Amino acid sequence: GAVVSQHPSRVICKSGTSVKIECRSLDFQATTMFWYRQFPKQSLMLMATSNEGSKATYEQGVEKDKFLINHASLTLSTLTVTSAHPEDSSFYICSASWASGRGADTQYFGPGTRLTVL
Amino acid sequence: GQQVMQIPQYQHVQEGEDFTTYCNSSTTLSNIQWYKQRPGGHPVFLIQLVKSGEVKKQKRLTFQFGEAKKNSSLHITATQTTDVGTYFCAGALNNAGNMLTFGGGTRLMVKP
Repeated sequence: GAVVSQHPSRVICKSGTSVKIECRSLDFQATTMFWYRQFPKQSLMLMATSNEGSKATYEQGVEKDKFLINHASLTLSTLTVTSAHPEDSSFYICSASWASGRGADTQYFGPGTRLTVL
Repeated sequence: GQQVMQIPQYQHVQEGEDFTTYCNSSTTLSNIQWYKQRPGGHPVFLIQLVKSGEVKKQKRLTFQFGEAKKNSSLHITATQTTDVGTYFCAGALNNAGNMLTFGGGTRLMVKP
């Protein structure tokens, strides 16, 4: 159980275009979804936290207008990279968790999306 | 803000040797979680420690949570090539909801 899918797994786009990445919790309802960015051989950098039906909370330094997050349902969150540039090339990973009421809950990670902007 | 430091950054071991990675937080944690990421893969949850001084074992893996709930360690006994990957600790604060702060990770390489 606790499977999270992410689509697409890889995307190559031209500079200036927008890319949408979907994150789905397949067998549970995720009260919270997280979006991370990971550069090669580095740790996960939290970009934003989103709760279903409310606006995402962005980490310091993450541009809200560039990385649009929508969490329309308990099983789906999307990240749209708008007007992508080569420096946005990275591995984007989402995770999902549900509130157990006992503090920070386990996060189940999607397989990630490798974005390459030409 | 909260910082979670992890050492070492890299570790090469011969198959059969032991391995330990250490995690230190600048603030007291409500719990700490460990994840493993295989090369080219995504992080996979290993374990969560909640209680002060807690020790948990999973086969050859031993996880410890410090008495002050600010540090943790993961020890692997007799490493195998299947242990290759990056091990991340992730700390949670009491008032941070479900948010985790990840350490920098320790990349383990095992020579057969």
